Formats: sequence, structure tokens, C-alpha cells
Amino acid sequence: SAVISQKPSRDICQRGTSLTIQCQVDSQVTMMFWYRQQPGQSLTLIATANQGSEATYESGFVIDKFPISRPNLTFSTLTVSNMSPEDSSIYLCSGGLGNTIYFGEGSWLTVV
Amino acid sequence: GENVEQHPSTLSVQEGDSAVIKCTYSDSASNYFPWYKQELGKGPQLIIDIRSNVGEKKDQRIAVTLNKTAKHFSLHITETQPEDSAVYFCAAALGAGSYQLTFGKGTKLSVIP
Repeated sequence: SAVISQKPSRDICQRGTSLTIQCQVDSQVTMMFWYRQQPGQSLTLIATANQGSEATYESGFVIDKFPISRPNLTFSTLTVSNMSPEDSSIYLCSGGLGNTIYFGEGSWLTVV
Repeated sequence: GENVEQHPSTLSVQEGDSAVIKCTYSDSASNYFPWYKQELGKGPQLIIDIRSNVGEKKDQRIAVTLNKTAKHFSLHITETQPEDSAVYFCAAALGAGSYQLTFGKGTKLSVIP
């Protein structure tokens, strides 16, 4: 199995600012993903974090708003840029290992 | 793209009874179907999964069934306990080693003591 740690676990952010979320996996996972979960909703895939190259974004998500880095097989960051109250969500990192997908505990962001 | 429908959205059962959550998917190429449990304030936790070459899988009180012809799969929890109360999500993924999940909308399960 894989253990996925995220930082910060929770934060309150001012409108217009940016925040970077870090994701660390204890194993060299094949793939890493970032999801968003709005309050009371399901999980929506933001992007696939590709090692050493630009992330692959899903429809409705763009690099300028959600820049992603993945410098190695165990670490990735997601930045939420120029935040607005609509960005208040849980942001979840996930990793694929041995045909199984694991999730971190999430980063709970509130934008005020 | 893939679309996953999940029912019911809420489910209340008496402790000791069984709970069943059903999901349907649209893409016949999907062949990996995990179930996640999400407790309040926590991330999703994988509880069981099934692949398309298997019709049923059990793990103690939890079982999952898959009907590829009908494109639906179900989660069965027997002898429910209060600690089973959580939101459950089904998901589907394409291909062996494809980790891109499409999630259902979730089922809030409440087990009444």
C-alpha cells in the first residue's frame, strides 16, 4: 500500500492570494493525481501530475489557475492561484500503485 | 467520457441490517471498480475493489458484485455497525493500470444503533 501525506491539512486564505499544497508519497507511485471535492460533493479530477513534464488538465481546469509540479516519483505540488470563495474545497492528492489508487487525507481550504 | 451513477444518495439502516449501494457506468471499456469510504474530515479510504474478470469479491462483512453485461456493480455491507456510518463512493477506471477514476456522487450511510 501507499501512504500519502498532504500539507497543509487545513487553511484559511484571503481572496486573491495563492496557496501551494504539497503531496508526499511513501512509495514510488506510477501516477499522481489531484482532485477537488467541493463541500458535500463528489470528487472531480483536476489533473494528472506528470513527472518532469507539464501536467495534463481535465476540462474546466487550466494551468494558470492550478499550476502543478512533480519533480520526482514521490512528490507533487498543486498551487491554487488568485483564490476566490468558489475555490473553497478539499483538494486531494492520489497515487496509483500496483493497480490500486490511494488518497491523502486532503487539504481543506476556505477562502474568505 | 465515462459517467458513473450511484444510488441511493442517502441510506439509513438499523444496526445489524444489511446495506446495498448500487452504481452503473457508461463505458464498457472500464474494467476497474473501487469503492471508497470517506468519514467526516478525512480523505477517501479504499475498502474494496473489483476487476472485470471477477464477478464477486468478499472481504469479511463487505462484498462487491459486478455485472459487466448490465454495466453495474454493487456494494453490500452485512451486519452493519455504527462505525460503518460514512459517505461511500463508487468509481470506475479504464484499462489495466489506468488510474484515472470517475466517481459516483456518493451515498451517505447512517447506521442507527
